Amino acid sequence: GDSVTQMEGPVTLSEEAFLTINCTYTATGYPSLFWYVQYPGEGLQLLLKATKADDKGSNKGFEATYRKETTSFHLEKGSVQVSDSAVYFCATAKGAQKLVFGQGTRLTINP
Amino acid sequence: KAGVTQTPRYLIKTRGQQVTLSCSPISGHRSVSWYQQTPGQGLQFLFEYFSETQRNKGNFPGRFSGRQFSNSRSEMNVSTLELGDSALYLCASSLQGQGVNTGELFFGEGSRLTVL
Repeated sequence: GDSVTQMEGPVTLSEEAFLTINCTYTATGYPSLFWYVQYPGEGLQLLLKATKADDKGSNKGFEATYRKETTSFHLEKGSVQVSDSAVYFCATAKGAQKLVFGQGTRLTINP
Repeated sequence: KAGVTQTPRYLIKTRGQQVTLSCSPISGHRSVSWYQQTPGQGLQFLFEYFSETQRNKGNFPGRFSGRQFSNSRSEMNVSTLELGDSALYLCASSLQGQGVNTGELFFGEGSRLTVL
């Protein structure tokens, strides 16, 4: 079945550092890809998405590009802030009414 | 517009008991999904309901069940609780159930279940 593999955390960076969180997926066909974020004590929120190859999703300074040739959807941000501290989940979905999530990557940004 | 509301937020049960969790979706949303979140297994899909019908089910034992009412509110039930059922149970709603492919699932804050 479909699966998602994320870079293991936790990841700790200093404010204004460059962020990359790797995500690769296994799926047949052409799944949609997502990044969700979970802030402490809250539910998940959709951060960005891409629905076809070469699409770039972006939001709040975060970006991710759907790379079908490498089956990847890496999350990047050029300059992180303390407020970006959260758990980030990569996910895929295709057809069925369900998301398949990666294990999550805990990100801590120090001032 | 109110978000997805889950109750109770926290609960403690003992092995062998059963539990019912409730989810009120965003007004107008007809699809409700449930996910289990644990440190070891991460986020796993339980089931999805649309217009009172279960359309998809994850790989969980029959002790896990759910239903959806005509007002789109949903409940999930876990019977004969085991220690391993301790988790954060997340509910998500979407407008028409096709929201998964567009990523537009709206999650509640979850119900944290502890089984002793």
